[in-house]
Amino acid sequence: DIQMTQSPSSLSASVGDRVTITCRASQDIANHLAWFQQKPGKAPKSLIYAASSLQSGVPSKFSGSGSGTEFTLTISTLQPEDFATYFCQQYKIYPYTFGQGTRLEI
Amino acid sequence: QLQLQESGPGLVKPSETLSLTCTVSGDSISSNFHYWGWIRQPPGKGLEWIGNVFYTGSTYYNPSLKSRVTISVDTSKNHFSLKLSSVTAADTAVYYCARERYACDDWGQGTLVTVSS
Repeated sequence: DIQMTQSPSSLSASVGDRVTITCRASQDIANHLAWFQQKPGKAPKSLIYAASSLQSGVPSKFSGSGSGTEFTLTISTLQPEDFATYFCQQYKIYPYTFGQGTRLEI
Repeated sequence: QLQLQESGPGLVKPSETLSLTCTVSGDSISSNFHYWGWIRQPPGKGLEWIGNVFYTGSTYYNPSLKSRVTISVDTSKNHFSLKLSSVTAADTAVYYCARERYACDDWGQGTLVTVSS
């Protein structure tokens, strides 16, 4: 299985900050990488697919980059509703695998 | 508007079979563009992809669960189902169904299944 490693595991930030989360794959996954946001008690919500393509309806404050084995999610101008847990997922090779999550907190 | 709704028992006894159904509305499960998947999340932990199914019945399963998992599709009812046999407490989790076009793009709200006697 492809291992997905996110860093940091948790991140403290303030409203208005810009933050970056990193996801590393144990082997080359090209751009087959997605990012999700999950709030407590809710299902994950897809933010980005193909490493950098925004899902419909997702604000442009979210951006993704990278290819191969290293990827980043950047959130600009944090708002209170952005404090959540973020996961990456590779969908290059079965079984699909997720990162362990990054908890973004105030 | 797409909606996915999981349904099934919230409590399953050890060694028995967990059975869940995901009813799809707002899209045809017979779409050529999508797979239909199951993912689970133990309380307080990360996400594990279980497997998926195409409308033809073709499936992919996570090898870690493959010996116990069956995912099937019923195009006449526009739903797909998950069966996980010989469950233990380690199978206690929120189970989500999802539509997969790229990754797991659209999710149901999830349903908590507890394995306990």
